[in-house]
Amino acid sequence: QVQLVQSGSELKKPGASVKVSCKASGYTFTSYAMNWVRQAPGQGLEWMGWINTNTGNPTYAQGFTGRFVFSLDTSVSTAYLQICSLKAEDTAVYYCARDQQWLGYNWFDPWGQGTLVTVSS
Amino acid sequence: DIQMTQSPSSLSASVGDRVTITCRASQSISSYLNWYQQKPGKAPKLLIYAASSLQSGVPSRFSGSGSGTDFTLTISSLQPEDFATYYCQQSLVRGFGGGTKVEIK
Repeated sequence: QVQLVQSGSELKKPGASVKVSCKASGYTFTSYAMNWVRQAPGQGLEWMGWINTNTGNPTYAQGFTGRFVFSLDTSVSTAYLQICSLKAEDTAVYYCARDQQWLGYNWFDPWGQGTLVTVSS
Repeated sequence: DIQMTQSPSSLSASVGDRVTITCRASQSISSYLNWYQQKPGKAPKLLIYAASSLQSGVPSRFSGSGSGTDFTLTISSLQPEDFATYYCQQSLVRGFGGGTKVEIK
């Protein structure tokens, strides 16, 4: 079945970097774009952007430029989110979600299980 | 930027109640509107796409309607497993509404 499996929780110090992975299975990885979504503790969902898994071209939402990097390793059907120069406010659960499209409409399905990144000294 | 406003932000309801959640876009988004359900500690789950299309496997008590700027998610008879937070999402630029938490009365 179609599945996205993310890497485990991370505890990092301010100023460090973290790389979250999202491994896809059950479908052709390069046929669907991948999105990233952030959810801070007790807060709602924030779309961070997406990456074209065919070309590797990323698109970042407002507020997620500069320290956030989307990348791919198509040989292992995996998308990555790297966050540099971590700040306490980056503490959140990060989700990957496949971009499904139909007749010009698109939606996110399925989602990974989420990766908790905690930034604390 | 297209802003999505959900109301109410929370509601209390009983099993068997009919529940309606609304989502308003700051500009017309045609039918580019999705609904998700999220339970505590879990990833969101797609319920409705393209404003009114029910995702495969989702119970028929869930329905979506609307177009343009005003949209509605309706749960016709609330079940115990439906207590969760619901998010709308406009799929033109993929932004989410603030969420509606459905709690037990």
